[in-house]
Amino acid sequence: DTEVTQTPKHLVMGMTNKKSLKCEQHMGHRAMYWYKQKAKKPPELMFVYSYEKLSINESVPSRFSPECPNSSLLNLHLHALQPEDSALYLCASSHSRGAGHDTQYFGPGTRLTVL
Amino acid sequence: QKEVEQNSGPLSVPEGAIASLNCTYSDRGSQSFFWYRQYSGKSPELIMSIYSNGDKEDGRFTAQLNKASQYVSLLIRDSQPSDSATYLCAGASYNTDKLIFGTGTRLQVFP
Repeated sequence: DTEVTQTPKHLVMGMTNKKSLKCEQHMGHRAMYWYKQKAKKPPELMFVYSYEKLSINESVPSRFSPECPNSSLLNLHLHALQPEDSALYLCASSHSRGAGHDTQYFGPGTRLTVL
Repeated sequence: QKEVEQNSGPLSVPEGAIASLNCTYSDRGSQSFFWYRQYSGKSPELIMSIYSNGDKEDGRFTAQLNKASQYVSLLIRDSQPSDSATYLCAGASYNTDKLIFGTGTRLQVFP
């Protein structure tokens, strides 16, 4: 089973709202990732968690706040977003960080629209 | 700057033909490569991974890696209209924790 789940599938929020995206995997993977993808562009890495600790932050604005409550869950808290933050947000997981042969499996994504 | 380059396409092939998707990379430290298929509005789906020089076959798909030439390719035999999607090539190296994605090649298979 290589399933990563994400909720919600779609989210519309105003610039003053606070919302959260959720990601879950039960493959025993110890690395989890958040990506942002704009139309006709490749996924753009935002954050990497390894063994529940934040290991990479790709200079993401503080209005995006990641959280890894346990090895199966990953959240992305959103606050005071801008319309240009509208995108498909993808979660991925892999066995372990930096293993070279480590395949990342993507969830279905959350389509975020910021009004 | 570590880069993975792909022709954005579209690559148009008739149904039943072989589609050939190509990718070059600049980082000689890259160890493993992945092909993802992405339908419009959906998330990337892993098609193939390849780590060693040579060919790797899985059903209608064959991945080819040439580390000397820094070249990766994906061949799709007996192409079907359902293969129409964007194909993302990605590379990874042991000394980084990131996948470096190409910009993707859009494949169109027409009946």
